This record gives sequence, structure tokens and C-alpha cells, in this order.
Amino acid sequence: DSGVTQTPKHLITATGQRVTLRCSPRSGDLSVYWYQQSLDQGLQFLIQYYNGEERAKGNILERFSAQQFPDLHSELNLSSLELGDSALYFCASSRGLAGAGGGELFFGEGSRLTVL
Amino acid sequence: GQQLNQSPQSMFIQEGEDVSMNCTSSSIFNTWLWYKQDPGEGPVLLIALYKAGELTSNGRLTAQFGITRKDSFLNISASIPSDVGIYFCAGGSNYKLTFGKGTLLTVNP
Repeated sequence: DSGVTQTPKHLITATGQRVTLRCSPRSGDLSVYWYQQSLDQGLQFLIQYYNGEERAKGNILERFSAQQFPDLHSELNLSSLELGDSALYFCASSRGLAGAGGGELFFGEGSRLTVL
Repeated sequence: GQQLNQSPQSMFIQEGEDVSMNCTSSSIFNTWLWYKQDPGEGPVLLIALYKAGELTSNGRLTAQFGITRKDSFLNISASIPSDVGIYFCAGGSNYKLTFGKGTLLTVNP
């Protein structure tokens, strides 16, 4: 158990709909990262927050948005869903900033989104 | 942007064999992390490396931070069936992590 909690674990919805994925980071971790993993694909970085502020953006579509709340939990909002959005969405957290000392990422178990 | 070349893409080995995989880049990194992902689950951190030349072990796993800071390798000794999964490297610099595309390991009992 990494200590990172993601809900829901599974989600099935229709095209055009909107969903919200939730992440609670490990206790004490200030950074939250969101990744998308499609079938047989690597980890695509979407967005990072540090202590409530957006820190870095990756290949995140305009239909997607995220935020980190004062209690440090984060939500990823996916709207106008398309079939190609079906994927595993991972949240990860770190104490500080990844890429620096102590910046090891710990991943949640993921939210599997299926768009029909 | 920074890119990592992780190889091999996939490996099929017999139980008991040793395994080696590596990541290379044209960019310099300050941190190398190695993760394992089981099917349908999140990646789990195996080893973290913070210093060029550092060699670190975790059970049957050994990883090294390349002396040029542009590469890292992971060795698994005496593989067992539960070693099956996808192994990812990640290089860190400038407060960013870049992931490799992964090595899919299959172990035949």
C-alpha cells in the first residue's frame, strides 16, 4: 500500500459525459501528479500540483482540468468524454518536487475509465 | 524535451535467469528511479538513485546510476514468476520526472 488513495477504482460512462477522479496523497506529501496510461502505453504526464498551486503541465487536453485543494487532495475533471479517453488514470504524490532529492513518486492504484 | 530510451521493450526469460534492462538519454539527470507495474495496478517504487556511480540493491534487484548521469540500469538476479510485469525507469532533473516507455518482462516457469 503506497498510501495514495484514488477513487473510484472503476468508472464506466458514455461519450460526451463528464467525470471526476479523486486522489488523496500520502500523509505529508505536498505534490500531486496525474498520469494517463492507455492500453499498452507508457505513463503520460498530465499535470502536477504543489501545495495547491499548479506546478507543471504535460500533455493534458483542454477538456481536462485538475485542482489541488487546501487539504492537499486533488481532483481530475474529464469532460466531453471521447472513446479515446478510456484509460487508467494514476495519481502520484511526493514529499517535495520530483526530480530532486526526496522527490520519489508514490502511485495510487489508479482509476480505470471506460468510455462507451 | 527530455527523452529516455528504455530497452529492451520486452523480454521473455526462463525462471532462474538473470535479467538486465537499461535507460539512456542525451540529457543529464540528478535522480534515477525504477518502478515495477503489475497488470491493472499502479507502479511501485523499487529503487531510487541520487548520486552518479551509485550502486544500490533491493533483494535480488540491483540498479546503478551511470557515471555520466545519462543512463541507469536495473538487474534482476535469479528471476521468479512473480517478477513478471512492466519495469519503468524515470530520470529526474529540474524538478521534473521523465519516464521511459517500460520493459515488459515475462518469466516462464
